[in-house]
Amino acid sequence: TQLLEQSPQFLSIQEGENLTVYCNSSSVFSSLQWYRQEPGEGPVLLVTVVTGGEVKKLKRLTFQFGDARKDSSLHITAAQPGDTGLYLCAGAGRYDYKLSFGAGTTVTVRA
Amino acid sequence: ETGVTQTPRHLVMGMTNKKSLKCEQHLGHNAMYWYKQSAKKPLELMFVYNFKEQTENNSVPSRFSPECPNSSHLFLHLHTLQPEDSALYLCASSQENQGARHYGYTFGSGTRLTVV
Repeated sequence: TQLLEQSPQFLSIQEGENLTVYCNSSSVFSSLQWYRQEPGEGPVLLVTVVTGGEVKKLKRLTFQFGDARKDSSLHITAAQPGDTGLYLCAGAGRYDYKLSFGAGTTVTVRA
Repeated sequence: ETGVTQTPRHLVMGMTNKKSLKCEQHLGHNAMYWYKQSAKKPLELMFVYNFKEQTENNSVPSRFSPECPNSSHLFLHLHTLQPEDSALYLCASSQENQGARHYGYTFGSGTRLTVV
């Protein structure tokens, strides 16, 4: 299992503010995925990044894959209460593509 | 139905009980997974099935017993559990290999298990 560290563990911000969540590892991944999990539900895939240096935008969410394919970040612009949830990053192994998950960042956006 | 369906959503069981968790996927995926999710810990992979064959058992205690009768159904049989086994148990499915790399896993809503 390849270790993925997410920071911060908890993040509480006011509606309209920006936030960034980080996902770091010493391992190289063939892809990096971000999931959001709401209370009482399973994680839902938000995005997959495959190429080192790749940047993907999903409305107010921006995802970046590090050049060395070891780390990633998720940036939310003008956060809304609907962005509240547990954000999980997951890396796919270089050869077997098995996913390893980080412990998650709990984001709370206050109205 | 579409997606991944897990039943029951909530389960309370005594340490001497025997119960089963059920997972069903209608996505045509050929890999299915059981994960354990505890507070403040990463998702813990328990079992992996590819084309109905178990390909991974992550040192899971024998009180957890998986069964995969076909590519669409996955069960987790539970017996003589301990209070520390209380957690959210998630089932997921994917296309194996390149599919998982690009499209990730589809998760069910989970079963919240409480062992008393």
